[in-house]
Amino acid sequence: GAGVSQTPSNKVTEKGKYVELRCDPISGHTALYWYRQSLGQGPEFLIYFQGTGAADDSGLPNDRFFAVRPEGSVSTLKIQRTERGDSAVYLCASSSGQGTRQYFGPGTRLTVT
Amino acid sequence: GQNIDQPTEMTATEGAIVQINCTYQTSGFNGLFWYQQHAGEAPTFLSYNVLDGLEEKGRFSSFLSRSKGYSYLLLKELQMKDSASYLCAVRGNAGNMLTFGGGTRLMVKP
Repeated sequence: GAGVSQTPSNKVTEKGKYVELRCDPISGHTALYWYRQSLGQGPEFLIYFQGTGAADDSGLPNDRFFAVRPEGSVSTLKIQRTERGDSAVYLCASSSGQGTRQYFGPGTRLTVT
Repeated sequence: GQNIDQPTEMTATEGAIVQINCTYQTSGFNGLFWYQQHAGEAPTFLSYNVLDGLEEKGRFSSFLSRSKGYSYLLLKELQMKDSASYLCAVRGNAGNMLTFGGGTRLMVKP
């Protein structure tokens, strides 16, 4: 079946611009996670949704970062006033419930010039 | 908080066995995961341990000792396609998110 998909696969933007990254989880998965992975590092947690609500957003680095999941399926990670330090691969994962295995998408590679 | 340590790089020979260690210090523990990640691709699940002991799955095995804050991933009969990064991740008590180590880049040579 279809796995987690993310669009775009690559995004290049200028410093100060606004970007949106999209995640389509596995159908029926109620839990959705966003992680950020810098080159040569492990993924770093950003935010976790259970259904439509953000159950834990403690990993968001600052108020330029925001994520939504209005219908409990697709999620969008929004970054305002991008900075060069935001350059990384943004990974999305989903799971069928709390405490279960997470399935990762291929990621969106964001480059801020 | 959580702190996960694993070696940055390892090299092994095709057909051999390699053990990748992971040590962790956490404020809570609710399971340890190993993921494989090929360059430019998504992490894929390998194993999950929540109780002490060894979990075997084909060529891959994973061990956990909660009292020592220690896990290892054992890869047998190495193949060239096993060249990848191996990520150790811990799930704490405070939520469902995973805290990852920096990953171990494994290079398998002929």
